[in-house]
Order: sequence, then structure tokens, then C-alpha cells
Amino acid sequence: QKEVEQDPGPLSVPEGAIVSLNCTYSNSAFQYFMWYRQYSRKGPELLMYTYSSGNKEDGRFTAQVDKSSKYISLFIRDSQPSDSATYLCAMRGGGNKLTFGTGTQLKVEL
Amino acid sequence: GAGVSQSPRYKVTKRGQDVALRCDPISGHVSLYWYRQALGQGPEFLTYFNYEAQQDKSGLPNDRFSAERPEGSISTLTIQRTEQRDSAMYRCASSLEWGANEKLFFGSGTQLSVL
Repeated sequence: QKEVEQDPGPLSVPEGAIVSLNCTYSNSAFQYFMWYRQYSRKGPELLMYTYSSGNKEDGRFTAQVDKSSKYISLFIRDSQPSDSATYLCAMRGGGNKLTFGTGTQLKVEL
Repeated sequence: GAGVSQSPRYKVTKRGQDVALRCDPISGHVSLYWYRQALGQGPEFLTYFNYEAQQDKSGLPNDRFSAERPEGSISTLTIQRTEQRDSAMYRCASSLEWGANEKLFFGSGTQLSVL
């Protein structure tokens, strides 16, 4: 079993929809949780960062962490075609090594 | 530079040859990371440096892989006696502060193909 599980998709939604992306993990030592966005043929770029449990909002994006369930989510409101990309969850414990999920491919259609 | 620069962008080599992949991090960034990303997968940690010191190399698959960052800036990942299973995208990332690796800036990667 992988430490971080993420549905690879693809996920296709109409423009304006609310998107929910999720990851589960097994390592209870993980404390720092991130979402990266990766466009085709590009490197991942940090989208959201959360420490421990709770919610964090930034514009149209909301990140949620539920450590008791070992479950993290990213919500995208009013999705746009420019949001079409692969979304990678990432997490770490006290060390510096990030463990990534496999990524969920999202397509927002006009 | 404006971002993390990696070269070459593509590398095709024959099995058994050695390859050297170069990473030029964002100027002033303390930490530098190497990850490997297979198609359809997330990046997998290989090794990282703070300044010139290699802090963790636990992700290097075997002793054919090595990395250095002699002056605390540019880094080279070397793969000796390449095998077909080494084919992947190799990504470098840097971060401004020691340990603050939540905000990693990734390069566009080097796509390695071993024939």
C-alpha cells in the first residue's frame, strides 16, 4: 500500500463547477500538507499549504485537512478552463522529504 | 535566474552509458532537491542538499546514482551504467530557506530515455 493514495482521474467538469480533489494517507507522522498544480510539460507549482488539521482558503481554492481520518481535500470554486491541469497532493512529517500522490488529472470544459 | 533551470531538456542514451543531469537553482536558494517522476505518477524523492551538504540521500535507488552540489549552487545528478528502468523525468527543485520545503520551485525537468 502506498503512503499516499490519490485517484488519478481523469476528472472532467463543466466550467463554473465546484471541484473536489482528495487524498488519503497512512503515515500518521505527516504534519504538513500541500497541493501542487502541474500543467502539461511543466514542473509542479505550489498551490496551497496547510499545517496540521483545519481549513485554509485562498481565492477560489480551499484546502482541508482531517488528520483523524488521514484525509485531505482541495476544493476549487467557479472552476475555469485554465484550471485544467494535474493536481498533486504532497505531505511530510518532521523531515524534509515530500511524499507525493500520483496526481489527479482535471479538465474543465467550456 | 528567473526560475530553476535544468539541462539538458532531453537526454537519450544507450544502456550502460553514464549521464550527468544539471540543475541551476534560483539564485540565493539554500535547499536543492532531486526528484524522479514517472509518467502518470507523482514526483519521488531522491536526495536533497542544504548549501553544499547532502542532507538526505535515502531516495537514491542504488549506488549507480550520485549527486553533488560542490559550491552550494549548481547541482549535478549522475547516473552510472544506465539501465532502461532509469528512464524517467528527473526534476530538480529549490527552496529559499533551510527546511522550508513546502514552497518548492520545480524546474521543467530532464527527460531521460535509456535505449
